[in-house]
Amino acid sequence: EPEVTQTPSHQVTQMGQEVILRCVPISNHLYFYWYRQILGQKVEFLVSFYNNEISEKSEIFDDQFSVERPDGSNFTLKIRSTKLEDSAMYFCASSEITAQETQYFGPGTRLLVL
Amino acid sequence: QQQVKQSPQSLIVQKGGISIINCAYENTAFDYFPWYQQFPGKGPALLIAIRPDVSEKKEGRFTISFNKSAKQFSLHIMDSQPGDSATYFCAASIGDDKIIFGKGTRLHILP
Repeated sequence: EPEVTQTPSHQVTQMGQEVILRCVPISNHLYFYWYRQILGQKVEFLVSFYNNEISEKSEIFDDQFSVERPDGSNFTLKIRSTKLEDSAMYFCASSEITAQETQYFGPGTRLLVL
Repeated sequence: QQQVKQSPQSLIVQKGGISIINCAYENTAFDYFPWYQQFPGKGPALLIAIRPDVSEKKEGRFTISFNKSAKQFSLHIMDSQPGDSATYFCAASIGDDKIIFGKGTRLHILP
């Protein structure tokens, strides 16, 4: 069964450093998403991406965040200058047509900012 | 208005029992209500979903009950098994919009 993959599985970084989280969505999917989950809390929407542009973003997704689809397979989330509160599990998801189609989530990247 | 309120926060059920998780929402524009299951170290996975034009949807041991007038919906897990032990999230969305998750319920099924 096709699946969303994410790398790295864990990332530790110093406050103020840039990090890039990588995702490979399912190949025929057109909608891509990033969510985050702070330890023990709910999953929060960050951004959705369709047709090579952001279709929606949350208030969490400020100027420190950016997304890119640099080639036909990868989808990345960049955090320009990490803060302690960026420590969370970051999930990539993809869906074939719209958000209301099944969103398939990757296993996540656990980011720890020291 | 964009919130989905979920209860209980945690739940312990005996094997073979019925697990019930409840959710409530305010925004009547929500038109899609999925439930996600998450095992430790994994991403959420869609379990079952319902639209507000039906009051109940059943898939195997999992049933969603939907009360549009009360703006509430619930997940029932019949004959709960230890393998059902996971965190369950209710969620809601509007059209092609993002999915709004509840805070999650940590379910533990006693063997």
